[in-house]
Amino acid sequence: QVQLVESGGGVVQPGGSLRLSCAASGFTFSSYGMHWVRQAPGKGLEWVAFIRYDGSNKYYADSVKGRFTISRDNSKNTLYLQMNSLRAEDTAVYYCAKDPGWHWGQGTLVTVSS
Amino acid sequence: DIQMTQSPSSLSASVGDRVTITCRASQGISNYLAWFQQKPGKAPKSLIYAASSLQSGVPSKFSGSGSGTDFTLTISSLQPEDFATYYCQQYNSYRWTFGQGTKVEIK
Repeated sequence: QVQLVESGGGVVQPGGSLRLSCAASGFTFSSYGMHWVRQAPGKGLEWVAFIRYDGSNKYYADSVKGRFTISRDNSKNTLYLQMNSLRAEDTAVYYCAKDPGWHWGQGTLVTVSS
Repeated sequence: DIQMTQSPSSLSASVGDRVTITCRASQGISNYLAWFQQKPGKAPKSLIYAASSLQSGVPSKFSGSGSGTDFTLTISSLQPEDFATYYCQQYNSYRWTFGQGTKVEIK
C-alpha cells in the first residue's frame, strides 16, 4: 500500500534553514507528481509546492517562492523541501502528498522561533 | 489562483442528523473536486474524488455532488466518529487550493 513518511522537522530560528524529506513506498514513485502542503497551528490547509514526476517542472505558492525549493530523487524514492529564510509564519505541520491527492503522509512539524 | 469558498465554517449537529456542506469555486473546475476529513492531530483523509466518487473503504453515508463551480458533501446519518473538520480541495490545477474548512461538532 502507498506509504509516505516525512522527516526533518524541528525548531529553527527566524532566518534559518531546514530540509524536509518524504520517503515514498508502495507505488512507482518516478511516475507521479508530488506536493507539499502545510497547516499552521489551528488553521486550514495551504498548498506549498508541486514537482512533476520527472522533476521537469516545479510550482510554488507565492508565500514561499524564492525561499523554498522542492526536489526529488527518483533513485531513492524520496521527495525534498529545502526551506531557507524561514519566518515565524512558516510554522506549521508539513505534509507530502502524492498527486492527485488521495495519499498523504503523517506530517512533520516545523517551528520557527527564537 | 482558484479560490474555494466553503460553508458553513462550523455547524452543530446530533447523531443521526443529515449534514450538508457546500463548496464554491471562483471559476469552473469541471469535476476536479475532492473532499477530506481531518481529525485533531491527524493527516487529512480522502473521502471523495472527482466530485462524487467514493474512495475505497469510505462508508456510503458520505456522498458528493456538483460540477463546474458548485459542490456539496452530504453525510446521511451522522455518527460519533464523523465529528471532525471537512475540507474541499480543487485539483483542476497543480496549484491546489482548499476551502477554509467546516468543523462539525456535537450538539
